[in-house]
Amino acid sequence: DAGVTQSPTHLIKTRGQQVTLRCSPKSGHDTVSWYQQALGQGPQFIFQYYEEEERQRGNFPDRFSGHQFPNYSSELNVNALLLGDSALYLCASSFVLGSHYGYTFGSGTRLTVV
Amino acid sequence: AQKITQTQPGMFVQEKEAVTLDCTYDTSDQSYGLFWYKQPSSGEMIFLIYQGSYDEQNATEGRYSLNFQKARKSANLVISASQLGDSAMYFCAMREGRGNYQLIWGAGTKLIIKP
Repeated sequence: DAGVTQSPTHLIKTRGQQVTLRCSPKSGHDTVSWYQQALGQGPQFIFQYYEEEERQRGNFPDRFSGHQFPNYSSELNVNALLLGDSALYLCASSFVLGSHYGYTFGSGTRLTVV
Repeated sequence: AQKITQTQPGMFVQEKEAVTLDCTYDTSDQSYGLFWYKQPSSGEMIFLIYQGSYDEQNATEGRYSLNFQKARKSANLVISASQLGDSAMYFCAMREGRGNYQLIWGAGTKLIIKP
């Protein structure tokens, strides 16, 4: 049973460029969240997609945008890259855990902006 | 104010010993969930254990247990009989309330198991 898959695994971009990261959720999961994890820190919530709509957004600028497709896969787009966007980007798909949601994560995409 | 606080940046533990990783949280919601994840150097976040705020029993999953003290707002992870493969970063996270879907994370604890 494939878990959450993310591509690419590593990426190097130049400041000012645009990047697209991709995520396929675990089979049976219909919700995708994106997190940014800077080196040595805990992840920060970017946004969550459900039914092809952005359901909740964290404190990230509009340069960060996303999309969810009918097959539940998702893309994260970052425009006008800054050096500070260098981080591990994690995708998580959701499952129900009692009365709460649980989250299955992928291995992430390591983005380096130079 | 920090919502999730992990006060131990790093810990060294002898193999086969038990280890407790501390986590305190801050929320005014009555309904919330607490999670522990393990992150090896590969980067993947591996789910370990979950505790709901209304759960009366402390959660257990194999060698992992969660010492949930609601009044103190603490949710410490206990790993029994530690193994070399337990060496990793450990994160405590919280999801608050209903209609709120984000996880709020602590800064993590780096656990190193010594042979």
